[in-house]
Amino acid sequence: QKEVEQDPGPLSVPEGAIVSLNCTYSNSAFQYFMWYRQYSRKGPELLMYTYSSGNKEDGRFTAQVDKSSKYISLFIRDSQPSDSATYLCAMSVVSGNTGKLIFGQGTTLQVKP
Amino acid sequence: SAVISQKPSRDICQRGTSLTIQCQVDSQVTMMFWYRQQPGQSLTLIATANQGSEATYESGFVIDKFPISRPNLTFSTLTVSNMSPEDSSIYLCSVDRGIYGYTFGSGTRLTVV
Repeated sequence: QKEVEQDPGPLSVPEGAIVSLNCTYSNSAFQYFMWYRQYSRKGPELLMYTYSSGNKEDGRFTAQVDKSSKYISLFIRDSQPSDSATYLCAMSVVSGNTGKLIFGQGTTLQVKP
Repeated sequence: SAVISQKPSRDICQRGTSLTIQCQVDSQVTMMFWYRQQPGQSLTLIATANQGSEATYESGFVIDKFPISRPNLTFSTLTVSNMSPEDSSIYLCSVDRGIYGYTFGSGTRLTVV
């Protein structure tokens, strides 16, 4: 079993739809949770970063963490064609001064005009 | 957020040769991370590079194949040695920005023929 599970999709939605992206994890020691967006032929770009259960909102993006269920989500409101990309969840455990990231497989999203 | 310059951005190499990838950060950081992203896959941590000490390699990655240098707090190199077509991947460096999360370079797209 992978430490982080993420449905690779692809996910195709019409412009303006609400998108829900999800990851589950097995390691209860994970403390930090991130969502990255990766456009084709680019490096990952950090979208959201949180370390507590609950919701965190930034513009059209909302990150949700449920540590009791080991489940995180990213919601995108009013989706735009420019949101078409691969979305990666990532988690880390900080031990001493080491904090390596464990990534999900990534979900490919296409937003159609 | 941090600016990471990574080069080369892409290369096509002959099998059996080696390629050194450079990563330059615009400010001093304690740890730098090297990841591999195989075609259609997520990111996998290769090693953590700490300035002034030997790099720490993840399971499945060895120093002879992926030697790393970290001569100062703003620079690191990753060498992919004795390359085979299975080494064709995107290689990315990353730094931990604390509460600002992890920042990635734009990646080096390597094709081994």
